[in-house]
Amino acid sequence: DAMVIQNPRYQVTQFGKPVTLSCSQTLNHNVMYWYQQKSSQAPKLLFHYYDKDFNNEADTPDNFQSRRPNTSFCFLDIRSPGLGDAAMYLCATSRDLSAVYNEQFFGPGTRLTVL
Amino acid sequence: ILNVEQSPQSLHVQEGDSTNFTCSFPSSNFYALHWYRWETAKSPEALFVMTLNGDEKKKGRISATLNTKEGYSYLYIKGSQPEDSATYLCAYTGTASKLTFGTGTRLQVTL
Repeated sequence: DAMVIQNPRYQVTQFGKPVTLSCSQTLNHNVMYWYQQKSSQAPKLLFHYYDKDFNNEADTPDNFQSRRPNTSFCFLDIRSPGLGDAAMYLCATSRDLSAVYNEQFFGPGTRLTVL
Repeated sequence: ILNVEQSPQSLHVQEGDSTNFTCSFPSSNFYALHWYRWETAKSPEALFVMTLNGDEKKKGRISATLNTKEGYSYLYIKGSQPEDSATYLCAYTGTASKLTFGTGTRLQVTL
């Protein structure tokens, strides 16, 4: 089945130690997204790629970076995780950026713990 | 600032009960309203995408309505079952073609 896969499902890192979260898709979609969801809050868009074009949300901290080496893979790098970066990180894909039918397909998320 | 609000925050019902939750969103620059179901340890799964005022969608025992003029959508579950236990997220799409999510309604259905 076509799907969005995230690895690892659970990640523990230390304060200030760089960490990379991985997302892959078999849907061949043009757009890949990274969301951050903190406890009891709404998922918040960090950035997205349309093909190779990177689009950062205005309020995404510089500490968060992303790479998309090919259509299938997208990585979220947190350069110096702080305690406030502990959250669920969701990856999603969509065929394009249609405002009307922008159906997004999600992975199961990676829960990040920062010690 | 776009605010998408969902209520209640959580809900606990018994098997067989019918229930409904609310999503409110900005009524200006509206393009679409999405409902997702997110079961624990699984991926959020799309339930409905609605675009037109007065839209009603149905999938089995779950249905949704849309009022774009006043900026709200209702999700109904008829005869809740334990497998309906999940967090239900709504998301609004405006001119920016991005999804703005609410905080979700966590539903627990017990026997």
